[in-house]
Amino acid sequence: AQSVTQLDSHVSVSEGTPVLLRCNYSSSYSPSLFWYVQHPNKGLQLLLKYTSAATLVKGINGFEAEFKKSETSFHLTKPSAHMSDAAEYFCVFTGGGNKLTFGTGTQLKVEL
Amino acid sequence: EAGVVQSPRYKIIEKKQPVAFWCNPISGHNTLYWYRQNLGQGPELLIRYENEEAVDDSQLPKDRFSAERLKGVDSTLKIQPAELGDSAVYLCASSLERGQPQHFGDGTRLSIL
Repeated sequence: AQSVTQLDSHVSVSEGTPVLLRCNYSSSYSPSLFWYVQHPNKGLQLLLKYTSAATLVKGINGFEAEFKKSETSFHLTKPSAHMSDAAEYFCVFTGGGNKLTFGTGTQLKVEL
Repeated sequence: EAGVVQSPRYKIIEKKQPVAFWCNPISGHNTLYWYRQNLGQGPELLIRYENEEAVDDSQLPKDRFSAERLKGVDSTLKIQPAELGDSAVYLCASSLERGQPQHFGDGTRLSIL
């Protein structure tokens, strides 16, 4: 079965410190993977996507993710957290047919 | 460009009542999606349209849910009758075509009393 697993339901960091949100995938072939962010009472916004062109993907707002096939991982990182980064983050998998399969989400809290 | 517009933003109804949600996708986007997002979970696809044709509705509970996309632009999602378990956020998304990134609206938060 093809799926994504977000390893942490909640992550808390201090403003200015690095962010790491973990995602592992399970797929029998090379997947397309995305990270979306959802601020409270808002829809989802695409942060970045991996579609096999490059393993290190740069997204908006300083986020990036690295596709590691050997570890079946697609972790999201940011060097320095900002208060405005507080939101829920979803790792998303898509196979054929453009159907998005969402992870269960990671709530990021940024403290002063 | 204008984003995906959904209305209403919030809806509170009593169980067994009907309810409808409306979505206006980004202009020129041929593919439209409806998702349901339960509290604390990621969205789950209910139905996908390619223009006016529903091409994936396998997750739509057809006994009470219906959707339409007349003229391949705006879409409505209806629930009749609503049940307590239908309380959720209903998200609409659109993409230029299949395989392109999906753009989401802000959703309709439905509460069933």
